[in-house]
Amino acid sequence: GAVVSQHPSRVICKSGTSVKIECRSLDFQATTMFWYRQFPKQSLMLMATSNEGSKATYEQGVEKDKFLINHASLTLSTLTVTSAHPEDSSFYICSSGLGGAPLETQYFGPGTRLLVL
Amino acid sequence: DAKTTQPTSMDCAEGRAANLPCNHSTISGNEYVYWYRQIHSQGPQYIIHGLKNNETNEMASLIITEDRKSSTLILPHATLRDTAVYYCIVRATNSGGYQKVTFGIGTKLQVIP
Repeated sequence: GAVVSQHPSRVICKSGTSVKIECRSLDFQATTMFWYRQFPKQSLMLMATSNEGSKATYEQGVEKDKFLINHASLTLSTLTVTSAHPEDSSFYICSSGLGGAPLETQYFGPGTRLLVL
Repeated sequence: DAKTTQPTSMDCAEGRAANLPCNHSTISGNEYVYWYRQIHSQGPQYIIHGLKNNETNEMASLIITEDRKSSTLILPHATLRDTAVYYCIVRATNSGGYQKVTFGIGTKLQVIP
């Protein structure tokens, strides 16, 4: 299947710093990518939809100024957690779709585990 | 997208078939059934999807009832590496745009040696 990569796989940072997570589609072009967050023992929750060349669309309750998304190319989307705090510690996962109508299949990255001290 | 109902957890003996049920009684005619799994500390992995016909690939088989109100994912010979949370998801077709995947709680499958 299609491959989606993420970097870094895990990161530890101090409270108040910013962290950038990269999501790449390795063998296909991705005009749309999705960013999810998963807290321990919970399911994945969609944070935002990343669109190449335009502004991201954020889900209700997700602060767009805190979670900055940049989708500058067809193979790369980045999520920057600004002024991270311990409550931002989570597992961040991106995905992208392959194929077209009637329905594409979403493929997920391996995830990035963020720990904010 | 239609809501799905899955058992919270299941056990399966190694080497036996794992049958994971999913109810989607409110599914619409243009909605597909998708299955993903998430092994601990990894991103979700696509397994299989179908509309109304049974489907099989190298990972699993998907059996969809004739009325499409339920389905069963079958792992024919479960191994310890199949221990994961399995998500049954119903997704509508789209007119060309990409759609997010909405995850429920899923079924925690424990394969026992």
